[in-house]
Amino acid sequence: AQSVAQPEDQVNVAEGNPLTVKCTYSVSGNPYLFWYVQYPNRGLQFLLKYITGDNLVKGSYGFEAEFNKSQTSFHLKKPSALVSDSALYFCAVREEGRRALTFGSGTRLQVQP
Amino acid sequence: SQTIHQWPATLVQPVGSPLSLECTVEGTSNPNLYWYRQAAGRGLQLLFYSVGIGQISSEVPQNLSASRPQDRQFILSSKKLLLSDSGFYLCAWGAVSLPYEQYFGPGTRLTVT
Repeated sequence: AQSVAQPEDQVNVAEGNPLTVKCTYSVSGNPYLFWYVQYPNRGLQFLLKYITGDNLVKGSYGFEAEFNKSQTSFHLKKPSALVSDSALYFCAVREEGRRALTFGSGTRLQVQP
Repeated sequence: SQTIHQWPATLVQPVGSPLSLECTVEGTSNPNLYWYRQAAGRGLQLLFYSVGIGQISSEVPQNLSASRPQDRQFILSSKKLLLSDSGFYLCAWGAVSLPYEQYFGPGTRLTVT
C-alpha cells in the first residue's frame, strides 16, 4: 500500500531564509509525487509534481522539490521564504495504477517577518 | 479553463438530519471525481471517488454515500448525520488524460450539533 509521511508538524523560518518541508513515501513501483498548499478555510492548491525525469522539480510561487529515490524522499524547498508562504503544506503520492492520492498529515509553515 | 464549485460553503446541521453536498466541474469532460474529508485542519481522508456516471468507489465504510448523476456532478449524502461527521469536505477532479494531479474545490465546512 502507498503511504506518505511528513515528520514535522510545524516548520518555523525567518523571512528571506531558505525553507525545507520534508516528505518521505512508500509505494510499490514507481511513485508519482505531489505538493499542495492550503490557506485557511480554502481548498488545496497544486504546487508541483514529480512523474519522471529530472530529480529537481520546479513549481509555482518559486517552490521546488527534490526527488531522492534511494532515500524515498521528496522534500519541498524554497531559496528565500516570504511571510505570504505561511500555510499548510501537503505531500501526496500516487502509486502507479491507482487513481487516488494518499496525502501526508500536513506541515504548517510559519514564516516570521 | 476548468473550474470546480462546491456548495454550500458552510453548513450547520443537527445530529440525525440528512445531508447533501454538491460538487460540479466546468470546462472538462469525463473527469475523475473525488470526495475528501479533512478533520481538525490537518490530514485528508479519501471518502469516495468516481471514474464515470454511476460508478462510485468507497474507500472508507461510514455513514456517508456518494452519487454521480451527471458527468460533472458529484454529490455527497447522508441519511442521518453523526457528530463525528463534522469536518471540512473537499471535492476534487482529476483529468483522465493526465491522471496525475488533482484540483480541489473551495470546500464545505460542516458542523454537526
